[in-house]
Amino acid sequence: AQSVTQLGSHVSVSEGALVLLRCNYSSSVPPYLFWYVQYPNQGLQLLLKYTTGATLVKGINGFEAEFKKSETSFHLTKPSAHMSDAAEYFCAVSEQYGGSQGNLIFGKGTKLSVKP
Amino acid sequence: GAGVSQSPSNKVTEKGKDVELRCDPISGHTALYWYRQSLGQGLEFLIYFQGNSAPDKSGLPSDRFSAERTGGSVSTLTIQRTQQEDSAVYLCASSSSRTGGFSSYNEQFFGPGTRLTVL
Repeated sequence: AQSVTQLGSHVSVSEGALVLLRCNYSSSVPPYLFWYVQYPNQGLQLLLKYTTGATLVKGINGFEAEFKKSETSFHLTKPSAHMSDAAEYFCAVSEQYGGSQGNLIFGKGTKLSVKP
Repeated sequence: GAGVSQSPSNKVTEKGKDVELRCDPISGHTALYWYRQSLGQGLEFLIYFQGNSAPDKSGLPSDRFSAERTGGSVSTLTIQRTQQEDSAVYLCASSSSRTGGFSSYNEQFFGPGTRLTVL
């Protein structure tokens, strides 16, 4: 079965520092790939997605992620953290085949803290 | 408000009682998904509707859980004889069609969730 692994349940960075949140997936067939953000007591918001085409994808709030098929990875980065980036981040996949229901399979999440 | 709405936002119930959770998808969205977010299990997929039909109910955690969708719009998730382990945030998402498959990607838009607490 498809699975998603996020390394590090908690990541802490200083304001202005690089943010790197790691995500690996298990499928041998590249799925659709997503990063979602969840602020406290709120729903999930899509940050960015990879479906086809360019492997470096840019999302909202200055985040980007690179799909690396050889590494089965889709790590999320942001060059300079801002206090408002403090939230929980979820990597997710959706399988690409005709019978797929299209449901998302999520990683366990990484809680990002940003220190002033 | 054009987003996905869910009600109630919070629900506290006693063990053994039945609860109904409601999801109003974005108008015109044919695909609807239910997920559960809990401390122990993270985010889990529960069930998917295409129109009023749920082709696969195997994601529901037990036979106490059921869901329906009427008129291709509103969906209700019902939990009978609630247990403490049912305590979680129940999230609903809708998309213009199913997200994966050979069709083009269709983003899932999430509602704010219903926080269920079973005492």
